[in-house]
Parts: sequence; C-alpha cells; structure tokens
Amino acid sequence: NAGVTQTPKFQVLKTGQSMTLQCAQDMNHNSMYWYRQDPGMGLRLIYYSASEGTTDKGEVPNGYNVSRLNKREFSLRLESAAPSQTSVYFCASSEVGGGEQFFGPGTRLTVL
Amino acid sequence: GNSVTQMEGPVTLSEEAFLTINCTYTATGYPSLFWYVQYPGEGLQLLLKATKADDKGSNKGFEATYRKETTSFHLEKGSVQVSDSAVYFCALFDNYGQNFVFGPGTRLSVLP
Repeated sequence: NAGVTQTPKFQVLKTGQSMTLQCAQDMNHNSMYWYRQDPGMGLRLIYYSASEGTTDKGEVPNGYNVSRLNKREFSLRLESAAPSQTSVYFCASSEVGGGEQFFGPGTRLTVL
Repeated sequence: GNSVTQMEGPVTLSEEAFLTINCTYTATGYPSLFWYVQYPGEGLQLLLKATKADDKGSNKGFEATYRKETTSFHLEKGSVQVSDSAVYFCALFDNYGQNFVFGPGTRLSVLP
C-alpha cells in the first residue's frame, strides 16, 4: 500500500501560470481533502470531497478548483497562480468524514 | 465558528523531561478531538484521538483527555525522547459541518 501519494513534490511557478496538483489514494477511502499549510497558521481546508462525485468548499477556496476524478483521485487546480498561493499543499483521505485522516507527503509550491 | 488554540512554540526540552502542550477549542456542538504529529519533511500522522467527553486518547506514551467543562485537550508525555522532536497539531472534527479545524501547531525540540 502506497497510502496517499502526491505529485509533484516541488514546483515553482510564475504569477499567472496554471498548474494541477495530483493526489491519489489506494485505501478505498470515500472522503478526500486538500489543505494548505502556512507558517503559524496550521492547516487550512481548501476543498473536500465527501464521496465520489461530490466536492465542497472549505475555509479558503478562492483561486482554486478541484476535480474528484474517481474514488482514488482528487486533483487541485490553480488557474492563475498568485504569490499568495505560495504554500505547502497536503492531500488527505479518510474512510468517512470525521475518521482518521491519512496525509500525503505534500507539495511545496512557490509562486514568483 | 469553530477554532482551535494551541500554546505557542517552540518548546525545547531535555530528554526524559515531562511534556505538556496545551490545546483549547471552540465548537458549536460536540466535536471529536485529535492530535496529529508532523515529522520534518513529512505529512501529518494521527497520534491519538477522543470522540466524547472524558475519553482519554493514548499512543506511544502520549495522552490527552477530552475535557468538555474546560473545552481542552492537552497533550502530555511523561518522558520525552529526541525522536519526539516534531510539530504537534491539535484538531477538531465538527460533526455538524463535517469539517476538520486544525490549530497552528507547536514545534517541539528535544535535546539529548
């Protein structure tokens, strides 16, 4: 079992560029999440998907879109990157909402 | 809204010292409470959890008790090791909004 995998691990973008962060889990979990981690602010929820075919906004959704491609995969897209989106992004999954969340290793994104 | 407050770090201790990291929360209902740990360069891992008042979560020598009367979930360990050096996050799961809320994290450094 690989658990939760994320690609890429590191990325540098210029302001205005777009990119998609990929996340996949092999634990047959129903719920998946995208967080950003900024110094002194803990993790903030961007979007989540309670089950295949559904997505909902979290605390900080502006500037992001998501796609729950199937039960395994949940991608996060930045359409027009801004320096304020420089952060570490974590994907997580859980069997059900409120259950233990399993985290990926993170993607460190820098927007210049 | 829901929120989690943790003691500010960094916390620096000598090996075998007693550890307490304070966590208090604000929630509309009766949340589940969690402690997650993040080792350098990795994603978060669940350390322990408690789902109702007076429950005690424990793992790897760490303990925390769900105190509804003081809205607290303080993390304790009787004798820390160098390998416990990490960032510790307190979190709650809001059963109404179906969202996790994380505290800002407390960095612990244990010196030999």
